[in-house]
Amino acid sequence: EIVMTQSPATLSVSPGERATLSCRASQSVSSNLAWYQQKPGQAPRLLIYGASTRATGIPARFSGSGSGTEFTLTISSLQSEDFAVYYCQQYNNLGLTFGGGTKVEIK
Amino acid sequence: QVQLVESGGGVVQPGGSLRLSCAASGFTFSSYGMHWVRQAPGKGLEWVAFIRYDGSNKYYADSVKGRFTISRDNSKNTLYLQMNSLRAEDTAVYYCAKDIVATSPNAFDIWGQGTMVTVSS
Repeated sequence: EIVMTQSPATLSVSPGERATLSCRASQSVSSNLAWYQQKPGQAPRLLIYGASTRATGIPARFSGSGSGTEFTLTISSLQSEDFAVYYCQQYNNLGLTFGGGTKVEIK
Repeated sequence: QVQLVESGGGVVQPGGSLRLSCAASGFTFSSYGMHWVRQAPGKGLEWVAFIRYDGSNKYYADSVKGRFTISRDNSKNTLYLQMNSLRAEDTAVYYCAKDIVATSPNAFDIWGQGTMVTVSS
């Protein structure tokens, strides 16, 4: 099973600032990586797939990069609605796996 | 609009069974792979199972293999999860989710609102 490790566990950011979230895979997942946003009491929402392709309707302030084992989700200028938990997920190998999540909170 | 609506959750005793359903609307259900994903209270996301668009291939997490069965009825636009031999550690919100492609597991672009399953005596 591929283990996905996200860091940091919690990120404190002021509105308007840039947020950088990291995700590391225990072995290469090529570009088969997705990012999701989840707010309390809601289902997750797909932000990025293929490591860098924004899903339909996702604002341009969200961007993804990386390949192999190291990935980054960047939120260029945090809006109030962006404070949430973010998960990465690999779909390169069966036994799809998620990272433990990064909580982005208001500083 | 594009929608997935889960049902069938509830409280069940350890060793018991439950069948979850997920009704799809607003897209061509028979053209996409589908998943079940769960989230234990206060915890992260765990993928449970995947079924190909035509039902010909199914894949499971090791934690549920041999106990859970994923299936679909494309004539009814409905996804199912039959859960047997339930354990306390199966307690979670269960989400159905649509894959972005038809044939192999990928990313999930549409999610239901979830249904809670509690395994407790």
